[in-house]
Amino acid sequence: DQQVKQNSPSLSVQEGRISILNCDYTNSMFDYFLWYKKYPAEGPTFLISISSIKDKNEDGRFTVFLNKSAKHLSLHIVPSQPGDSAVYFCAASDFPDDKIIFGKGTRLHILP
Amino acid sequence: DTGVSQNPRHKITKRGQNVTFRCDPISEHNRLYWYRQTLGQGPEFLTYFQNEAQLEKSRLLSDRFSAERPKGSFSTLEIQRTEQGDSAMYLCASSVVREETQYFGPGTRLLVL
Repeated sequence: DQQVKQNSPSLSVQEGRISILNCDYTNSMFDYFLWYKKYPAEGPTFLISISSIKDKNEDGRFTVFLNKSAKHLSLHIVPSQPGDSAVYFCAASDFPDDKIIFGKGTRLHILP
Repeated sequence: DTGVSQNPRHKITKRGQNVTFRCDPISEHNRLYWYRQTLGQGPEFLTYFQNEAQLEKSRLLSDRFSAERPKGSFSTLEIQRTEQGDSAMYLCASSVVREETQYFGPGTRLLVL
């Protein structure tokens, strides 16, 4: 039973355009949502997070949107850069320092 | 601060052998987590510690797996009698209590032949 779902295994976006990565979750107890980026042979790197009391959080080129009623969140990257090519994991937890439940990831390709 | 470190980075072993991995968290991080990632999947939670106390273990952590954090600093994860299904990337992360961000190490890639 997958509690965090990333339904797009891969996504290709032109350099300079907006990348939108989507994520759905099923557990209504989740209160914290995170996005991690992973390059091959490296551990996941934290990108941005949002708590359930907010619907938007922004950090530079990265913005996360949360729609609690739809149990859906998305990560927007504007503008997309070549270095953004990586696997992006959506993740969630009940409490701020609890175990994290990850999705299967979306591989983002930024095209020149 | 140099971040979370893990050793070894790679381990190849034969089925039935025991292996041990080490994780050194970011200093002053009192929470330490172990995850496992297999091909095409996201990281899956195994266990976590607050200081030296092991607070939760996943059902993924069979009797062959044991984790310790004896002095509340570094942690070890031991797999006894390895099986081919144990082949995976083993990831360690650390965090501060009541903060949601976990910082991951580079992982230990295990291959069981």
